Amino acid sequence: EIVLTQSPGTLSLSPGERATLSCRASQSVTSKYLAWYQHKPGQAPRLLMYGASYRATGIPDRFSGSGSETDFALTISRLEPEDFAVYYCQQSRRPMYTFGQGTKLEIK
Amino acid sequence: EVQLVQSGAEVKKPGESLKISCKGSGYTFTNYWIGWVRQTPGKGLEWMGIIYPDDSHTTYNPSFQGQVTISADKYITTAYLQWSSLKASDTAIYYCARQDTSYYASGSQKGVAFDIWGQGTMVTVSS
Repeated sequence: EIVLTQSPGTLSLSPGERATLSCRASQSVTSKYLAWYQHKPGQAPRLLMYGASYRATGIPDRFSGSGSETDFALTISRLEPEDFAVYYCQQSRRPMYTFGQGTKLEIK
Repeated sequence: EVQLVQSGAEVKKPGESLKISCKGSGYTFTNYWIGWVRQTPGKGLEWMGIIYPDDSHTTYNPSFQGQVTISADKYITTAYLQWSSLKASDTAIYYCARQDTSYYASGSQKGVAFDIWGQGTMVTVSS
């Protein structure tokens, strides 16, 4: 099983600031299998990034993804009020998919 | 519009059985895998398993193997998650999600991810 460890657990920032979220894998993950999701209370998770660095349809360009093998990151260049949520990385390498434990991005 | 619509919230007692559903529309249901994901306050999101509706080929997370059954009826474009005997620890929100695979022009895979999600089904198990 590939364990994904996200850091930090909670990130407190203000609107307009830059956020960098980390996702570290216990084994190498091919980039095409790495995705990021945004999850707000009472809503379904929303796909942000796939293939580690490709934005999903409708995702603003302030979101970007990077990384390879065991180290991946999601960057939000300038935080908007609607960006405060929980973010998960996820890998889809068969036979066992896994999610990270999440990073909560909260307003400072 | 491409969407997955899940069945409504359920309140059950320990030991009871349950089957929740996820209906796909707006796309060719048999061309995409459907996954199930559990959300609990303590553990975040957990992948439970995935099914290919065209032939019902299914892969389970070992943690959920034997605890739930994932199935699909391609003729009514619906996937299911069922329990034969619920426990209090099954209390959670359950999401279905469509897995999409995107490709480069060369034909090689670009990315695999859950691009469309159902709205979630809250399951409460309490005596």
